[in-house]
Amino acid sequence: EPEVTQTPSHQVTQMGQEVILRCVPISNHLYFYWYRQILGQKVEFLVSFYNNEISEKSEIFDDQFSVERPDGSNFTLKIRSTKLEDSAMYFCASSSGIQETQYFGPGTRLLVL
Amino acid sequence: SQQGEEDPQALSIQEGENATMNCSYKTSINNLQWYRQNSGRGLVHLILIRSNEREKHSGRLRVTLDTSKKSSSLLITASRAADTASYFCATVKVSGNTPLVFGKGTRLSVIA
Repeated sequence: EPEVTQTPSHQVTQMGQEVILRCVPISNHLYFYWYRQILGQKVEFLVSFYNNEISEKSEIFDDQFSVERPDGSNFTLKIRSTKLEDSAMYFCASSSGIQETQYFGPGTRLLVL
Repeated sequence: SQQGEEDPQALSIQEGENATMNCSYKTSINNLQWYRQNSGRGLVHLILIRSNEREKHSGRLRVTLDTSKKSSSLLITASRAADTASYFCATVKVSGNTPLVFGKGTRLSVIA
């Protein structure tokens, strides 16, 4: 069964460093998302992406964040200058259509020291 | 803002019993989705129920939706120890390429 994959599974970085989180969505899906979950808290929406552009973003997704689909398969989230409060589990998701099931990857656990 | 809010926050049952979790939300939705998350792991999609549906089944799972009360329930029948996880409802607004809005989840413990 097709699935969303994410790399790395864990990343430890120093405050102020740039990180890139990678995702490979399900191959025939057209809508892509990033969410995050701070330990013990709700899953929060960051950004949605369709047709090579951001379609919606939350207040969390400030200028430090960017997304890119550099080729036909990868979908990346970049955090330019990490802060301690960026420590969280980051989930990528994809769906085949608007308001269809969103399938989540296993997540990348980011720890900022 | 619309939110899915689950109750109870935690539920502990014996293996073989049924588990019922509830979700309430605030605004009109296109659909509501239930997910499971094992501790520290990814989100596994369970069921999507649309606003024009009242009930859906998938194996041991039964989901109901009452749009007049803005609530949904997830019933797991004949629970197993492997069902131990957190369960989240997530809602999608009526239109647009909209994100899921998650609740805080119900932590289910099934004791063998």
